[in-house]
Amino acid sequence: DTGVSQDPRHKITKRGQNVTFRCDPISEHNRLYWYRQTLGQGPEFLTYFQNEAQLEKSRLLSDRFSAERPKGSFSTLEIQRTEQGDSAMYLCASSLAVANEKLFFGSGTQLSVL
Amino acid sequence: GIQVEQSPPDLILQEGANSTLRCNFSDSVNNLQWFHQNPWGQLINLFYIPSGTKQNGRLSATTVATERYSLLYISSSQTTDSGVYFCAVNPTDKLIFGTGTRLQVFP
Repeated sequence: DTGVSQDPRHKITKRGQNVTFRCDPISEHNRLYWYRQTLGQGPEFLTYFQNEAQLEKSRLLSDRFSAERPKGSFSTLEIQRTEQGDSAMYLCASSLAVANEKLFFGSGTQLSVL
Repeated sequence: GIQVEQSPPDLILQEGANSTLRCNFSDSVNNLQWFHQNPWGQLINLFYIPSGTKQNGRLSATTVATERYSLLYISSSQTTDSGVYFCAVNPTDKLIFGTGTRLQVFP
């Protein structure tokens, strides 16, 4: 069990640039979640997939954000035209959609928009 | 939407002390989990506990679903217990996190 993997670990970008993050879930997990966390706050839900289908998106996810999970394996989160307010830790998590559904998180991608 | 409140917001302990963290939620849930976020930011799943009591070493958790609260007990605390403890609940398919309890354990 290799756990949830996220890449890159850190990303520094200039305002207006596009960025893309990758998440590799635990291999047998069919659900994949994206969360965002700012300093001093708990993680906030952004979106989630069951297999390749994106089932829910938060109101926090503006049109500049898009997520994909082709073939139900890894997922990417893209932010277009980044703004300083996008600076945060972006967390990916995965789970197996069964009765006792524990969520497992990756180490996150820390985004800094200058 | 559902509200998740945790108390206390901050807790400072000396090594060896015991503590109780509380999580209150405003609506019925079918999933409640406790997480520890270590000083490096990694979130570790401690318990899946929608109801009842579970124990894992020095940690135990109790959820009283009918009264909409959960408690996390830490006994004989160690410096490695430092970090932020989050309670998270899901009335549907996504977990909603509380604001956390920041725990600092000093030697």
